[in-house]
Amino acid sequence: QVQLVQSGPEVKKPGASVKVSCEASGYIFTSYGIGWVRQAPGQGLEWVGWSSTYNGNGDYAQKFQGRVTMTTDTSTNTAYLELRSLRSDDTAVYFCARSGHSSSSYGDYWGQGTLVTVSS
Amino acid sequence: DIQMTQSPYSLSASVGDRVTIICRASQSISTYLNWYQQRPGKAPKLLVYSASSLQSGVPSRFSGSGSGTDFTLTISSLQPEDFASYYCQQTYNARTTFGQGTRLE
Repeated sequence: QVQLVQSGPEVKKPGASVKVSCEASGYIFTSYGIGWVRQAPGQGLEWVGWSSTYNGNGDYAQKFQGRVTMTTDTSTNTAYLELRSLRSDDTAVYFCARSGHSSSSYGDYWGQGTLVTVSS
Repeated sequence: DIQMTQSPYSLSASVGDRVTIICRASQSISTYLNWYQQRPGKAPKLLVYSASSLQSGVPSRFSGSGSGTDFTLTISSLQPEDFASYYCQQTYNARTTFGQGTRLE
């Protein structure tokens, strides 16, 4: 069965970087993209970006441009989200989701989420 | 960016009720509209894609409709497990956006 398993919670200081992983199984990894969505405490869903598992291309939300990098490792079927220059308002649960072959795709299977806490 | 506005923000209902949630887009998005359910502490779950196509495994009491700028998600007979938050999402352009959510309680 399709599964996306994310790495564990992180606590970071302002200005630091965080890298969240998302390991996929149960399907052909390179047949789908990976989208990333975050949810601040008590808030709604916010699209962060999308990464192609086929050619490594990424498409990021404007507000994260320059601070975010999404990569994939086809040898381990793992996608990564790296967010730099962390601020307190980056505190959120970050979800990965299996998506289609473009950034304008819905997510049909989701990881369990990774809580990233940014605090001094 | 395309703005997605859901109404109501929260909705009080009972088991067996018929419930409708509305989602409006700031410009026409054809049928590039998806609906998700999210229970507290859990990941979102895809319910409906392309405005009206039911995701595999989703109960038939859920249905979606609409095109252009106005969309609805209907639950024909509420079950206890349906009390959750619901989000619409447009995938018309590359920078997908979500509605602010509707809490069903």
